[in-house]
Amino acid sequence: QVRLVQSGAEVKRPGASVKVSCKTSGYNFTRYSITWVRQAPGDRLEWLGWINTSELKTKYSQKFQDRITLSSDTSTTTAYLELRSLTSEDTAVYYCARPLADWGQGTLVSVSS
Amino acid sequence: ENVLTQSPDILSLSPGERATLSCRASRGLNSNLLAWYQQKPGQAPRLLISGAVTRAPGIPDRFRGSGSGTDFTLTISSLEPEDFAVYYCLQYNIALWTFGQGTKVEI
Repeated sequence: QVRLVQSGAEVKRPGASVKVSCKTSGYNFTRYSITWVRQAPGDRLEWLGWINTSELKTKYSQKFQDRITLSSDTSTTTAYLELRSLTSEDTAVYYCARPLADWGQGTLVSVSS
Repeated sequence: ENVLTQSPDILSLSPGERATLSCRASRGLNSNLLAWYQQKPGQAPRLLISGAVTRAPGIPDRFRGSGSGTDFTLTISSLEPEDFAVYYCLQYNIALWTFGQGTKVEI
């Protein structure tokens, strides 16, 4: 079956970067895009961006455009999210998803001094 | 950006009652690219409806999506105890998603 397994929780200082991985299995990796979504504590879901895993084209939310990079590795069927210049407002659970139905379990990123 | 506004923010109901959740888009959605998700605490969102009206595999038929253009509705015909959760609408225009703020269905 389709599985998306994300890397573990991270604790970062303000100004640091974080890289979250999303290991996929159970389907043809390059036939589907991967989308990243986050959810701050008690807040709504927020779309971060999308990567076409076949052409490696990306589209980012304007809000994060300057400090986000999405990438993927076909050989390991893994997608990555890198977010730079972290602030406390980036504290959230980060999800990868194979649109629309299949989601990872989420990765908690905590930013605190 | 196409802003999605859900109403109400909180819906207080009892098991067996009907729930009607609304999602309004600031601009019309092409091809009705609207989905509904259910989320419970500590869990990833679960897809209920895509294309505004199509139930995802395994979703009970008490969940029904309707609407087009800018106004969409999720109806739960008779609430089961496991249906008490937060519900989000999502517009998934190609390569650009936006979520509503969510409706909490509580007992």
